[in-house]
Amino acid sequence: ETGVTQTPRHLVMGMTNKKSLKCEQHLGHNAMYWYKQSAKKPLELMFVYSLEERVENNSVPSRFSPECPNSSHLFLHLHTLQPEDSALYLCASSQVDRIWSGANVLTFGAGSRLTVL
Amino acid sequence: AQKVTQAQTEISVVEKEDVTLDCVYETRDTTYYLFWYKQPPSGELVFLIRRNSFDEQNEISGRYSWNFQKSTSSFNFTITASQVVDSAVYFCAIPGGGTYKYIFGTGTRLKVLA
Repeated sequence: ETGVTQTPRHLVMGMTNKKSLKCEQHLGHNAMYWYKQSAKKPLELMFVYSLEERVENNSVPSRFSPECPNSSHLFLHLHTLQPEDSALYLCASSQVDRIWSGANVLTFGAGSRLTVL
Repeated sequence: AQKVTQAQTEISVVEKEDVTLDCVYETRDTTYYLFWYKQPPSGELVFLIRRNSFDEQNEISGRYSWNFQKSTSSFNFTITASQVVDSAVYFCAIPGGGTYKYIFGTGTRLKVLA
């Protein structure tokens, strides 16, 4: 496989369920991201991992819990979600330099469409 | 703070028409990068172009061209002779808000009708 792969592509869960989203990148990148895409809103960065260390957490509710066991895999663990959490969750990866320049190109997966009932 | 405005929410054109997608940005940085991404119905955002603020030359890639105007803080994207496969949501983006962060516009949905 190539690029960034996300599973599952679609997920329906109740508010009391626990589920996980998975992302895998085959590009040898050293940074991975979770973005949330809601209707008519700009993409929201949720978490960033660089070299498997979380470097950014945009005050996301604790019902979202990321995990990055190695540079190729990224998980988003979900529990006790709310209906407003229904959205497309996009994973991305990039190759970042020691000094942030803003030049990095993001490679995105196709997303996991989450519906919370 | 950085900001990206894509005022056109949705555009519909007939196949073979030319179409321009607007992007206006705000930044305090003296040097910066600008990006365009395409999101087809399949969901993944696909990188189209990255432009360094040092380079104001317009760029052409096949039917795609980009017009960067630093004086008006605009980075517009033109598709020449549009095709149905160009139907997608297009996002303009700029680094901002912290390390590893990008500010995306709200996107422009382009519908190309056969």
